[in-house]
Amino acid sequence: GAVVSQHPSRVICKSGTSVKIECRSLDFQATTMFWYRQFPKQSLMLMATSNEGSKATYEQGVEKDKFLINHASLTLSTLTVTSAHPEDSSFYICSARRQGLGPNEKLFFGSGTQLSVL
Amino acid sequence: QQQVKQSPQSLIVQKGGISIINCAYENTAFDYFPWYQQFPGKGPALLIAIRPDVSEKKEGRFTISFNKSAKQFSLHIMDSQPGDSATYFCAASKDQAGTALIFGKGTTLSVSS
Repeated sequence: GAVVSQHPSRVICKSGTSVKIECRSLDFQATTMFWYRQFPKQSLMLMATSNEGSKATYEQGVEKDKFLINHASLTLSTLTVTSAHPEDSSFYICSARRQGLGPNEKLFFGSGTQLSVL
Repeated sequence: QQQVKQSPQSLIVQKGGISIINCAYENTAFDYFPWYQQFPGKGPALLIAIRPDVSEKKEGRFTISFNKSAKQFSLHIMDSQPGDSATYFCAASKDQAGTALIFGKGTTLSVSS
């Protein structure tokens, strides 16, 4: 099956620093990638939709200047948490939409990144 | 407004029993309804999915029942096993339009041996 690689799987950083999370589709082209955030024992909340070559679309309440999303190629999207604070500590998950398939499964999830801000 | 409502929040089932999780949705434009399984510290993994032109879909021990008029769908896990203990999420999307999945709040399933 299709594979989405997310890196790093875990990161600990100091408050005020920036952290970059990468999401790669390893064996398919992803025109669209989605970024989710998940707090402990809660659901996945959509943060933004990223389309290759264009600006990301952010959900209401998500600060675009704090969560920078870049989708420069059909296989790579990055999420940068700028000036991270402890309240940004969360599990971040990307999902890639595979183009060209029929009406069946074409959304694939990364394994997530646990961000801890001290 | 919560677009996908999931219940129960937690569920304890004996080994060999049937686990049933329910979801209801608001938006009639949704056309894709998957169920995901998630283990702690991992991304969600697709279990089974259904589209509104079908009322039921079965894959192994997992069955989705879909009621379009009631805007509800459910996951049935037959012969539940301890290895099924995980968090389950229902989701919905406007797949033809390429929108993101909207997730329910999740159900934590514990299967006792």
